[in-house]
Amino acid sequence: ILNVEQSPQSLHVQEGDSTNFTCSFPSSNFYALHWYRWETAKSPEALFVMTLNGDEKKKGRISATLNTKEGYSYLYIKGSQPEDSATYLCAFGNFNKFYFGSGTKLNVKP
Amino acid sequence: EPEVTQTPSHQVTQMGQEVILRCVPISNHLYFYWYRQILGQKVEFLVSFYNNEISEKSEIFDDQFSVERPDGSNFTLKIRSTKLEDSAMYFCASMWWGRTGSSTDTQYFGPGTRLTVL
Repeated sequence: ILNVEQSPQSLHVQEGDSTNFTCSFPSSNFYALHWYRWETAKSPEALFVMTLNGDEKKKGRISATLNTKEGYSYLYIKGSQPEDSATYLCAFGNFNKFYFGSGTKLNVKP
Repeated sequence: EPEVTQTPSHQVTQMGQEVILRCVPISNHLYFYWYRQILGQKVEFLVSFYNNEISEKSEIFDDQFSVERPDGSNFTLKIRSTKLEDSAMYFCASMWWGRTGSSTDTQYFGPGTRLTVL
């Protein structure tokens, strides 16, 4: 079983703050790293698929970077809004199988 | 927008009973998955399914579990004789994966079925 770790476990920020969290994964046999946004009582929603070392992806105020050689990915949220409150999951794997981190639970206070 | 659906949303069963969890993946997707999340733990991979057969399965997916795509639209997970420790949220996911060598496709998840074994 491969170990995928996310930190911090939870984060409380004020509206307007920028924040970032980390996903660590094994640096060998890299295939893809997925980021998901998961709101309570809903399905996890795909944010990014990261495949190449040095990848940077952006979707509105959310962006992600990837370092496959050292085995980490960062997710950044610029100017957090209350609607950004959710759990952010990363998953490492290939098309056959994915290993998930435990998630970072973000709470943005108005 | 197409979505993955799962039924039922909540299933309560007695230990030792068989349960079938149902999923309808997105219609043109080719890869299908089951995951579970025991309360307070990580989402765990159970099985992937492609071209009408299991592609990969985890050590959790023992002989008590089986998957089927009976009619070209549904994708089911059967647990033959449920145990207390099978209580969890079960998520189905699907992915297109229509292009050889492509790694940029993403999984689409259903809302989950909460299984409670008493």
